[in-house]
Amino acid sequence: DAGVIQSPRHEVTEMGQEVTLRCKPISGHDYLFWYRQTMMRGLELLIYFNNNVPIDDSGMPEDRFSAKMPNASFSTLKIQPSEPRDSAVYFCASSSAPGQGGYTFGSGTRLTVV
Amino acid sequence: GESVGLHLPTLSVQEGDNSIINCAYSNSASDYFIWYKQESGKGPQFIIDIRSNMDKRQGQRVTVLLNKTVKHLSLQIAATQPGDSAVYFCAEIFAGRRALTFGSGTRLQVQP
Repeated sequence: DAGVIQSPRHEVTEMGQEVTLRCKPISGHDYLFWYRQTMMRGLELLIYFNNNVPIDDSGMPEDRFSAKMPNASFSTLKIQPSEPRDSAVYFCASSSAPGQGGYTFGSGTRLTVV
Repeated sequence: GESVGLHLPTLSVQEGDNSIINCAYSNSASDYFIWYKQESGKGPQFIIDIRSNMDKRQGQRVTVLLNKTVKHLSLQIAATQPGDSAVYFCAEIFAGRRALTFGSGTRLQVQP
């Protein structure tokens, strides 16, 4: 298995532009999580899905952020418009049995908004 | 690297020594805990987990201890190696929730 695949690995964009981050979970995992890692706040949960349905989006910072999971093998996190304070590393993780181990993280997307 | 240059507490040990990394968790209702290792340029990697009905669990060279009375978790690494150098995070799951809540992390530096 190739693990959780995220793209792009690095993204540099100008303030005000739309940014789309992509994630392919491990096949058979029905939970998908988006996390953000910053120096100030560490690793924080943004949103998670179960069977493609958003379950908890209380961590999404504001309306500029949106996440979708149109099918079991693909999810996107979109920021529109982007701001410099959105600069961070964004991780996607998937799991087949939360609470029983098996959370696998991707390698992350480093986003820089200038 | 993807560890974003976090300003973290640092534990520096000599190669071959044992390491102990500590974590205070936040929610007394948490029933599952995981230790993760994050190397530069990578996402967090699972090390070991423990349920709240246990107080100790051992893996290969690693041991996790759980003290629910004081809401404290520790990770012990035996015979620390240079490849153990990384940032270590504890994470917890609140009962009924499925997402991990992460602690702030500790940077482990292994001196050869």
